[in-house]
Amino acid sequence: EVQLVESGGGLLRPGGSLRLSCVGTGFTFDDYAMNWVRQAPGKGLEWVCGVGWDGGITGYADSVKGRFTISRDNAKKSLYLQMNSLTVDDTALYYCAREAGHSYALGYWGQGTLVTVSS
Amino acid sequence: DIQMTQSPSTLSASVGDRVTITCRASQNIGNWLAWYQQKPGKAPKLLIYKVSSLESGVPPRFSGSGSGTEFTLTISSLQPDDFATYYCQQYHGYAYSFGQGTKLEIK
Repeated sequence: EVQLVESGGGLLRPGGSLRLSCVGTGFTFDDYAMNWVRQAPGKGLEWVCGVGWDGGITGYADSVKGRFTISRDNAKKSLYLQMNSLTVDDTALYYCAREAGHSYALGYWGQGTLVTVSS
Repeated sequence: DIQMTQSPSTLSASVGDRVTITCRASQNIGNWLAWYQQKPGKAPKLLIYKVSSLESGVPPRFSGSGSGTEFTLTISSLQPDDFATYYCQQYHGYAYSFGQGTKLEIK
């Protein structure tokens, strides 16, 4: 069974930094691109960033470009999101998501980890 | 960036109704269009990928169609479990974007 488990969320001040992690089990981790998607409280889904199977290709939403960095460690079956210069607008539940395998659609999601930025 | 616009934002319907949700892309995205269902407190669930392919385990009352910039999700006969929020999503140039969501409510 595919499982994605995020961790690392928390409460922090504007301007702070945080690193999220996601461990993937039940599948061959380095066969798939991985993504981060966030959802602000009461709002819709926003794709944040993604990384190819080997870490060689990355993509970012304009809202986080230059502040967030996605990376992965295939030996540890782990995905990371380094978030710097956080603002209140980054407050959200952050989901780790994996491609379905048959397409680029996101077929598997974790339960999310909550990041709250507040002064 | 490609913008995805869903309509309506809210839809009120009854069990047994046929409903359609529309998603428009700001530029041609070919067939890289997916639909998700999300219930409160839960992660999104993939329903349809590549415009019209049904994800495994999804009931056949869900269907998708469209091409280029205009796409639709249709639920042929609403069931109580279908009341949720629906999102379209595109993939282009190693970037994704979602529509703003359509909340399907019980009339």
